[in-house]
Amino acid sequence: EPEVTQTPSHQVTQMGQEVILRCVPISNHLYFYWYRQILGQKVEFLVSFYNNEISEKSEIFDDQFSVERPDGSNFTLKIRSTKLEDSAMYFCASTSPGRNTNEQYFGPGTRLTVT
Amino acid sequence: SQKIEQNSEALNIQEGKTATLTCNYTNYSPAYLQWYRQDPGRGPVFLLLIRENEKEKRKERLKVTFDTTLKQSLFHITASQPADSATYLCALDPSYPYNQGGKLIFGQGTELSVKP
Repeated sequence: EPEVTQTPSHQVTQMGQEVILRCVPISNHLYFYWYRQILGQKVEFLVSFYNNEISEKSEIFDDQFSVERPDGSNFTLKIRSTKLEDSAMYFCASTSPGRNTNEQYFGPGTRLTVT
Repeated sequence: SQKIEQNSEALNIQEGKTATLTCNYTNYSPAYLQWYRQDPGRGPVFLLLIRENEKEKRKERLKVTFDTTLKQSLFHITASQPADSATYLCALDPSYPYNQGGKLIFGQGTELSVKP
């Protein structure tokens, strides 16, 4: 069964450094998302992406964040200058076109630790 | 303000019993509501979706109800097993009318523990 994959599984970085989190969504999906989950808290929406552009972003998704689909398979989240409060699990998700339901398929996550 | 809330306390039940989890929301008019399972350190896994015009949905040992008047969904696991132990999340798309590809808003989840 097709699945969303994410790399790396764990990323440790120093405050102020740039990180790129990578995702390969399910191949025939057209809508892509990033969510994050701070330890012990809710899964929070960051950004959605469709047709090569951002369709919606949350207040969390400020100028330090960017997303890109550099080729036909990868979907990346870049944090330009990481802060301690960016430490969280980051989940990529995708969904299938033509389904009037929006059930989303999540990757296993990248644990980002900012020191 | 808009809220989506689940039982905040962990639910501990004996194997074989039925687990019932609650999801309440305020100031949303979702076209559907979804339930996901999340294991520690893993991403949410989609389980079931129920639309606003459906009262009940079943899948194997899972049953979901949706009461748009009460603004509540109940999630039941019958004949529970230790392997059902996980955190269960409810989620909704806050856009109305329905917007294909919209974001999901999640509740904080209820941790279920099924003891043998």
